[in-house]
Amino acid sequence: EMVLTQSPGTLSLSPGERATLSCRASQSVSSSYLGWYQQKPGQAPRLLIYGASSRATGIPDRFSGSGSGSDFTLTITKLEPEDFAVYYCQLYGSSPTWTFGQGTKVEVK
Amino acid sequence: QLQLRESGPGLVKPSETLSLTCSVSGGSLTRRNYYWGWFRQPPGKWLEWIGSLSYSGSTYYNPSLQSRVTISVDTSNNQFSLKLRPVTAADTAVYYCAREVTFGGLVGLDSWGQGTLVTVSS
Repeated sequence: EMVLTQSPGTLSLSPGERATLSCRASQSVSSSYLGWYQQKPGQAPRLLIYGASSRATGIPDRFSGSGSGSDFTLTITKLEPEDFAVYYCQLYGSSPTWTFGQGTKVEVK
Repeated sequence: QLQLRESGPGLVKPSETLSLTCSVSGGSLTRRNYYWGWFRQPPGKWLEWIGSLSYSGSTYYNPSLQSRVTISVDTSNNQFSLKLRPVTAADTAVYYCAREVTFGGLVGLDSWGQGTLVTVSS
């Protein structure tokens, strides 16, 4: 069973700072199937990144994804007030299956 | 513009059946290469995939829930439905429907409903 582990659990930062979020898979995966989502309280998740590094439609370029194998990173270069939220990584498997990490909360310091 | 909307009872008794419907507008459930999924998120926890419906009507379920889940489609009304039975308190969650994209270089869940909270309680 594939497990995605995100770290840290909570990231306390100030607006304008850089956020680096990690997602580690329990085994090597295809980067084509790795995505990132943003979720704000009371809202549905929003797709930010697909294929580990491609931004979804309308996503600002301060969001970027990278990584391969079992280690992936979401970077937000300069945090805007609206970026404080919970972020989830996601892996698609054949059959189909969808697996999510437990999330990283980016909160205001 | 694609829109998805979940509907159904917000309160279900233990041992009974949870029934939800996802109404889709702005896109057809039978459009080739798109799948449609159900997901849930217990309060304060992360997302869990429940199951998926293909454009051709095939269904796929999370093995951990397979014995209790049924996903069906009503193409005439462009809706798909979720049934989960029997339910326990552990099934209390916000339930989402979403469109799954798995072709053309994009693999992800690109459109979501707003979610509906289902509480299992007597």
